[in-house]
Amino acid sequence: GQSLEQPSEVTAVEGAIVQINCTYQTSGFYGLSWYQQHDGGAPTFLSYNALDGLEETGRFSSFLSRSDSYGYLLLQELQMKDSASYFCAVSPGNTGKLIFGQGTTLQVKP
Amino acid sequence: GAGVSQTPSNKVTEKGKYVELRCDPISGHTALYWYRQSLGQGPEFLIYFQGTGAADDSGLPNDRFFAVRPEGSVSTLKIQRTERGDSAVYLCASSSQGANYGYTFGSGTRLTVV
Repeated sequence: GQSLEQPSEVTAVEGAIVQINCTYQTSGFYGLSWYQQHDGGAPTFLSYNALDGLEETGRFSSFLSRSDSYGYLLLQELQMKDSASYFCAVSPGNTGKLIFGQGTTLQVKP
Repeated sequence: GAGVSQTPSNKVTEKGKYVELRCDPISGHTALYWYRQSLGQGPEFLIYFQGTGAADDSGLPNDRFFAVRPEGSVSTLKIQRTERGDSAVYLCASSSQGANYGYTFGSGTRLTVV
């Protein structure tokens, strides 16, 4: 079977740093993606990791450890607009198909 | 177009009826994906098109669901004999280079079966 686990909710204050973890068990693995989704909106692509290590894009960074089947999304200098759901997603093959986790709801407080 | 367009944005239908959901991808994107998202869940894969052909339809839940992309651009997801359990947001996404460069999702069609 295929499964991804991430925390259901995370709360942090404006200006802080938050880490959202994702562990996965899939029959194949090509890479780990992260998507952000605001209430009522479309998911938007944040990052993709195919190799071990840290990828940084502005305030957001994503990490992957293939040997541990684990990754995380790091959000720095949190802003109120970062309040949203964050999904990790595994590419089990090279077709572009994604298997999504259940999502983590991030609430940023003033 | 500039983004992925999905119509209608909302659809309410009676149990047992037939519905069609349309997706207009970003111009030039050869890969097109349909996902279904229930409240509080992540998107669930339904089907993937590369050009005109369905390259992977392993996520279609049963034979009431069917999708086409006859000219390699617009795609239609068709649901026959709708059931209340089909109620969800149906998301379409397109991509030019695969998941590693990210999908662009449309805003979805919210389907409610009453």
